Amino acid sequence: DVKVTQSSRYLVKRTGEKVFLECVQDMDHENMFWYRQDPGLGLRLIYFSYDVKMKEKGDIPEGYSVSREKKERFSLILESASTNQTSMYLCASSLGGQTEAFFGQGTRLTVV
Amino acid sequence: AQKVTQAQTEISVVEKEDVTLDCVYETRDTTYYLFWYKQPPSGELVFLIRRNSFDEQNEISGRYSWNFQKSTSSFNFTITASQVVDSAVYFCALTWGSSNTGKLIFGQGTTLQVKP
Repeated sequence: DVKVTQSSRYLVKRTGEKVFLECVQDMDHENMFWYRQDPGLGLRLIYFSYDVKMKEKGDIPEGYSVSREKKERFSLILESASTNQTSMYLCASSLGGQTEAFFGQGTRLTVV
Repeated sequence: AQKVTQAQTEISVVEKEDVTLDCVYETRDTTYYLFWYKQPPSGELVFLIRRNSFDEQNEISGRYSWNFQKSTSSFNFTITASQVVDSAVYFCALTWGSSNTGKLIFGQGTTLQVKP
């Protein structure tokens, strides 16, 4: 069974902390994505990666960075967490541009 | 620019009713792909269907059916004889062009509540 696994379901962090969200996929997919989900806004793309060490900004990259040192792992980094980054974060992977994406279970991050 | 609109924020039906979730998209690309995903309370998005821009055939899978109409830029999703287990948030999404990135643009989502 294909799998995208996010390291945490729930996280509570303090304002100003550096936060790492980890995502691992076991499908040997080239593409990996980080989305943010907020009520009424759907999912918005933060960053994506199409190969190891390759990354591109999505629609809302401000305040975030990413790392992809290995094909199976894609990390989202909040350099200095702020309360407006309280949200649900979803990681996804896909084989190619036209194929469906597989999603992790999400990480609900609260910044206090 | 690409855009996906799901105008229905919330829908509530009684079990066994049929329900249609609307999706309208915008893109200037002639090659594009449309998707529907289901997000149950557990949070993980589950893939339901993919349709490419060159295939306007409607699709039926059990109680689910999809109506793709390029003339109205719509890709609507119908659940026949709804069940309580269909309660979830449903997202319509779009990717476009021939590049290999697979970036998705999502609609705002429609929350479906099926009451017993």
